[in-house]
Amino acid sequence: GAGVSQSPSNKVTEKGKDVELRCDPISGHTALYWYRQSLGQGLEFLIYFQGNSAPDKSGLPSDRFSAERTGGSVSTLTIQRTQQEDSAVYLCASSLRAGEGYEQYFGPGTRLTVT
Amino acid sequence: KNEVEQSPQNLTAQEGEFITINCSYSVGISALHWLQQHPGGGIVSLFMLSSGKKKHGRLIATINIQEKHSSLHITASHPRDSAVYICAVYTGANSKLTFGKGITLSVRP
Repeated sequence: GAGVSQSPSNKVTEKGKDVELRCDPISGHTALYWYRQSLGQGLEFLIYFQGNSAPDKSGLPSDRFSAERTGGSVSTLTIQRTQQEDSAVYLCASSLRAGEGYEQYFGPGTRLTVT
Repeated sequence: KNEVEQSPQNLTAQEGEFITINCSYSVGISALHWLQQHPGGGIVSLFMLSSGKKKHGRLIATINIQEKHSSLHITASHPRDSAVYICAVYTGANSKLTFGKGITLSVRP
């Protein structure tokens, strides 16, 4: 079956512009996670959604970052007024439910470059 | 100090060698993941464990909760095992993973 998909695969943007990154989770998965992987750094949690509950936004690095999940499926991560330090690979993952008993399935990522 | 430490940072092995990758963590956890990331970025979950040992093909993962340590072993290593291996933990208080920086493994033919 289809895995987690993300678009675009690559995005180059100018400093100060807004960008939107999209994630399509596996059908039926109620939990969706966004992570960031900067060059030379480990994966960093940003935000997760579980069903209709309020998302856990505790990993978002600044108020320029926001995410939505519409209809319990597709999610969009928005970065406003991009900065060069936002350059990273943004990864999305989904799982049947949130929590340690459930395997996370990762998308291929979106490589964001801010010039 | 990172909550999840992995060692060594880089590892090179000859095809056929037995490989061990280590992960130590400093917090109480409810479960630990081993993930594999190939060049190009795709991440695959290898194991999820909270106690004991799991085996899948040539891969074995062990965890010692008391010592806060986990190992990933690769038997009869092959060049296609070349990848970044990432350890991640659930701390139990929430559903978020905390990641180690990963170990880059290169297996030479």
